[in-house]
Amino acid sequence: EDQVTQSPEALRLQEGESSSLNCSYTVSGLRGLFWYRQDPGKGPEFLFTLYSAGEEKEKERLKATLTKKESFLHITAPKPEDSATYLCAVRRVQGAQKLVFGQGTRLTINP
Amino acid sequence: EAGVAQSPRYKIIEKRQSVAFWCNPISGHATLYWYQQILGQGPKLLIQFQNNGVVDDSQLPKDRFSAERLKGVDSTLKIQPAKLEDSAVYLCASSLDAGSFYEQYFGPGTRLTVT
Repeated sequence: EDQVTQSPEALRLQEGESSSLNCSYTVSGLRGLFWYRQDPGKGPEFLFTLYSAGEEKEKERLKATLTKKESFLHITAPKPEDSATYLCAVRRVQGAQKLVFGQGTRLTINP
Repeated sequence: EAGVAQSPRYKIIEKRQSVAFWCNPISGHATLYWYQQILGQGPKLLIQFQNNGVVDDSQLPKDRFSAERLKGVDSTLKIQPAKLEDSAVYLCASSLDAGSFYEQYFGPGTRLTVT
């Protein structure tokens, strides 16, 4: 069964303090790994899709990387507006095309 | 471009009552999804439609949950009768088509509280 585990569950940083969020996955044939951002009271907002090990994508202060077993979301010099829950999800090659989500990392950036 | 619309935004009901949620996807999107998100967890897919047809409903509790997509556009999700463990946010999402190359766009969700 596909599994996605995110760590840490919660992370509190000072403004400007860089860090990384981890997403470990077990899936039979990875079709894609997805990162979403979710603000309180809102639906998830798409950030990145990664398809193969070694791939990297960047958007503003965020950079996502992928290996064969995990993905990292690196946050460089974060600002308070980066505070949100970050969700990771995987989709497999065969069978059901559904996204399987991790439980998320709740990130708080203090000014 | 208008996003995914959902209503109501909040609903409080007693156990054993019924409730319905409505979703209007982004115009032109063939694929529609309903997710359940329990507090502190990631979303879990309940059902996926491709146009009018059901693609995946393997995690839908069919004894109490039902969903339909009218004319391949709007969709409703119904719970009858509700249980306490159904308290969650119900998210609707849509994508241009199925497959990993198509981003899923989520609506704001409906927060259901069952007392």
